[in-house]
Amino acid sequence: GQNIDQPTEMTATEGAIVQINCTYQTSGFNGLFWYQQHAGEAPTFLSYNVLDGLEEKGRFSSFLSRSKGYSYLLLKELQMKDSASYLCAVRDYYGGSQGNLIFGKGTKLSVKP
Amino acid sequence: DAGITQSPRHKVTETGTPVTLRCHQTENHRYMYWYRQDPGHGLRLIHYSYGVKDTDKGEVSDGYSVSRSKTEDFLLTLESATSSQTSVYFCAIKETGRGQETQYFGPGTRLLVL
Repeated sequence: GQNIDQPTEMTATEGAIVQINCTYQTSGFNGLFWYQQHAGEAPTFLSYNVLDGLEEKGRFSSFLSRSKGYSYLLLKELQMKDSASYLCAVRDYYGGSQGNLIFGKGTKLSVKP
Repeated sequence: DAGITQSPRHKVTETGTPVTLRCHQTENHRYMYWYRQDPGHGLRLIHYSYGVKDTDKGEVSDGYSVSRSKTEDFLLTLESATSSQTSVYFCAIKETGRGQETQYFGPGTRLLVL
């Protein structure tokens, strides 16, 4: 089966660090994506991991462990504008799938002053 | 923004009427996708296209059809809209480069079926 789990909601304080976890079980695996989605807007691409380890991009970092089926998105120096939903997605390659993305339900992050 | 537009951006319609949503891209991407997003479900793939006249079903394709007669346009049709198809619909393209394939999304269409 295919399943992607992430917490429904999280709250953090401005200036702090927050880690959003994502676990996945898919038939195949060829990359994990994180998207940010502000309320009423389209998802925007944040990061991509296909190999184990940490990818850093400014205040945002994403980690992947393929053996554990686990990823996290780390947001540092939180700002009020980081209040948004964060979507974890896996590209699942199996016979005939064309490598389509499977999305988790998203984690709504609220940043408080 | 990957040059993706969707029309209309908002639509209210009645149960049983046909509805067509349009996705337009300007950068000649081969792959295009239609998703719906509902509370508690996240983004779910409806149909996708891997070239002109080449389409396939996604996870939630029942009640929807698509057409792609030219590279830049991907149409999603609800033949007879139902209240369960009230949703936000996102179009996406797949961009390939720098060793990775990434999907980028259009601004979305909010559809209300009464």
